[in-house]
Amino acid sequence: KQEVTQIPAALSVPEGENLVLNCSFTDSAIYNLQWFRQDPGKGLTSLLLIQSSQREQTSGRLNASLDKSSGRSTLYIAASQPGDSATYLCAVRRGSNYQLIWGAGTKLIIKP
Amino acid sequence: EAEVAQSPRYKITEKSQAVAFWCDPISGHATLYWYRQILGQGPELLVQFQDESVVDDSQLPKDRFSAERLKGVDSTLKIQPAELGDSAMYLCASSLDETQYFGPGTRLLVL
Repeated sequence: KQEVTQIPAALSVPEGENLVLNCSFTDSAIYNLQWFRQDPGKGLTSLLLIQSSQREQTSGRLNASLDKSSGRSTLYIAASQPGDSATYLCAVRRGSNYQLIWGAGTKLIIKP
Repeated sequence: EAEVAQSPRYKITEKSQAVAFWCDPISGHATLYWYRQILGQGPELLVQFQDESVVDDSQLPKDRFSAERLKGVDSTLKIQPAELGDSAMYLCASSLDETQYFGPGTRLLVL
């Protein structure tokens, strides 16, 4: 059974720092992996989607990497800003017809 | 920009009462999802629709929860009777391909 873990559960860093969020999964046979952002009391916004054949995806200051063999993905945020404060969740999919399996998220606080 | 709409945004009810949540997906999105998210956890899929058909409701507590998408557009999720443990955020999402677009959610508090 696939399990997705995100450590740490919370992270606080000063504004301007580069940071890395971690996501690990137990079954390397994944179809794709996605990173989402959730603001307090709101829905989720898809940030990046990495197909199993890809190693990384980039969008602006965000870069997500995928290492299937080790069961890990990282989300790199460059030059962090207070507006980046949110909870970041990763989710993996076993196949195109399978549901997403979610991590519990990392709550990120960027201090001005 | 098109968005997924949900109502109500907040709902407070007493246990044993019935509650209903509504979702209007992005126009043209055939796939619609209902998730439940307990504070501090990731979302849990309750039911997935493809047009008007249910394709996955394996985690839906069918003794008290029901969901429908009669015309393959908007959808309703109902709980009857509500229990204290149902307090959570209920999220609706829709998709055309692999990217899911989420609504703002309905926060339910059962007293």
